Amino acid sequence: QVQLVESGGGVVQPGGSLRLSCEASGFTFSNSGMHWVRQTPDKGLEWVTFIRYDGSNEYYADSVKGRFTISRDNSKNTLYLQMDSLRAEDTAVYYCAKDRVSGGSFDYWGQGTLVTVSS
Amino acid sequence: QSALTQPASVSGSPGQSITISCTGTSSDVGSYNLVSWYQQHPDKAPKLMIYEGSKRPSGVSDRFSGSKSGNTASLTISGLQAEDEADYYCCSYAGSSTYVFGIGTKVTVL
Repeated sequence: QVQLVESGGGVVQPGGSLRLSCEASGFTFSNSGMHWVRQTPDKGLEWVTFIRYDGSNEYYADSVKGRFTISRDNSKNTLYLQMDSLRAEDTAVYYCAKDRVSGGSFDYWGQGTLVTVSS
Repeated sequence: QSALTQPASVSGSPGQSITISCTGTSSDVGSYNLVSWYQQHPDKAPKLMIYEGSKRPSGVSDRFSGSKSGNTASLTISGLQAEDEADYYCCSYAGSSTYVFGIGTKVTVL
């Protein structure tokens, strides 16, 4: 069965950096586009970024553009999110999610990892 | 990109039908047949319930159905059951491989 397991969350000071990982199994990772989606209690779900199956293109929400970088290692079945210049408003649970084969939706989600930006 | 508009809460009695609306703009909901709906129980990850506006993934009950008219998409839950009590989020493709979510609707089974 499909499994997505995030790791790397924690507490970081404003202006700091953190790298999240998402280990995938149960499907052909190298054939699937992947997303990061975050969730806060007050704003709900927010799409963050997407990377194509082969890493050829990346797309970002305006709120993180220039600060976050998505990448993947298909040899390790692992997705990454490098988060730099972190702000308090980046505090959220971060989920990795698999792009449905035809695109346009997220058919499997990890359990999420909590990122807290606080001094 | 502004969040899609959903009612904060919707409630119904067991066996009833309820409908959750999701209003966007001509740049997202109105332009693409790529609205999806997610169910989220407390402390759980979201689960895909509807994709491409009206299609159900394998394993999702046929009590869940989706539709769209203009800039507004809708999720209908028929034969409401206690296990349907959860938060529901809509999401639309917004062009250039970007997406926008709704603010979420809390469904309460009375």
